[in-house]
Amino acid sequence: DVKVTQSSRYLVKRTGEKVFLECVQDMDHENMFWYRQDPGLGLRLIYFSYDVKMKEKGDIPEGYSVSREKKERFSLILESASTNQTSMYLCASSPTGQGALGEQFFGPGTRLTVL
Amino acid sequence: AQSVTQLGSHVSVSEGALVLLRCNYSSSVPPYLFWYVQYPNQGLQLLLKYTSAATLVKGINGFEAEFKKSETSFHLTKPSAHMSDAAEYFCAVTSNQAGTALIFGKGTTLSVSS
Repeated sequence: DVKVTQSSRYLVKRTGEKVFLECVQDMDHENMFWYRQDPGLGLRLIYFSYDVKMKEKGDIPEGYSVSREKKERFSLILESASTNQTSMYLCASSPTGQGALGEQFFGPGTRLTVL
Repeated sequence: AQSVTQLGSHVSVSEGALVLLRCNYSSSVPPYLFWYVQYPNQGLQLLLKYTSAATLVKGINGFEAEFKKSETSFHLTKPSAHMSDAAEYFCAVTSNQAGTALIFGKGTTLSVSS
């Protein structure tokens, strides 16, 4: 069974803290994604990676950075957390190849609260 | 640029009634279209996808969607709603490049009453 795991389901941090959200997939997928989900706004792409050490900005990268040192792991970093980064964060992965085009596998999400 | 618009942030139906969730897309290249479902406190899972083969696509749990190029639509339907269908549904689009990120709509919450 395919699996994407995220390090925490719930996280509470203080303004100004450096926050790491970790995502691991066991499907040997090339592509990995970080989204944030907010009510009424749907999912918005923060960053994605199509290979180890490669990254691309999504629609809302400001205030975030990412790291992909190994194929199975994609980390989202909030350099200095702010209250407007309180949100649900979803990680996803997908293989490369026409047959699986667009099918992303999602983790359960991390609900981050910044106080 | 690609985009999707989901009409109606909330849809309520009775158990056994037809489910219709609307999605319109905008794309300058032939689109690949998807419907994902998110049950409470879970991540998203794929319901079905259109990748330029058959225009009527069948998915899991009795859902289907029809791609209509003339109407730029990809509405999701199910003939008879079940209580377990209550969830949030997202329409998404991508270009025909492998690995390209999805662009999601804002979501439609489906409520099913007995």
